[in-house]
Amino acid sequence: EAQVTQNPRYLITVTGKKLTVTCSQNMNHEYMSWYRQDPGLGLRQIYYSMNVEVTDKGDVPEGYKVSRKEKRNFPLILESPSPNQTSLYFCASSPRGPGNQPQHFGDGTRLSIL
Amino acid sequence: AQSVTQLGSHVSVSEGALVLLRCNYSSSVPPYLFWYVQYPNQGLQLLLKYTSAATLVKGINGFEAEFKKSETSFHLTKPSAHMSDAAEYFCAVKDRGGNQFYFGTGTSLTVIP
Repeated sequence: EAQVTQNPRYLITVTGKKLTVTCSQNMNHEYMSWYRQDPGLGLRQIYYSMNVEVTDKGDVPEGYKVSRKEKRNFPLILESPSPNQTSLYFCASSPRGPGNQPQHFGDGTRLSIL
Repeated sequence: AQSVTQLGSHVSVSEGALVLLRCNYSSSVPPYLFWYVQYPNQGLQLLLKYTSAATLVKGINGFEAEFKKSETSFHLTKPSAHMSDAAEYFCAVKDRGGNQFYFGTGTSLTVIP
């Protein structure tokens, strides 16, 4: 089954404790992206990747890191999480980068930073 | 940068009534346009996308959207609402030649029995 898999689905942690949210897709997609969803703000793009070893900042990259060492994986790293990063996070992928290819979304990761 | 406006963060309709969810984009050059639906505790699913082949785009679950360049709009409609349509709906755009996606703030649809 074609899917984007995020782990964990839920995480409660404390300020400053490094965490990683994993994202994996099995569709051989070139483009992968991370979003955060906040009430009243919709989805905002954090980082995106056009292909292996190619990453770019989205609209809200501060406090986040990403890497793309393999085509299927695109982890999101919070090296020193803060309460304002409490949010619902989505990973998405699509084929062939730019264009009108729609994105396929994971089920989301709800992070609470205390 | 591109911006996407969804007027009405909450819309309520009666079962069987017309659904109209509004989306406007800001760029002078028409971008790629998408509508997604999000059910509770789930990720986003594609409803439809505009491909420039036709201004009226049909999607899944009976939804359709009409692209109007003069109004920079891509409103989503469904002739007859069903209880299962209750969800959050997002309009999204991507500039032609660009790599970023921009989402609207979403519209929560409630269907009243």
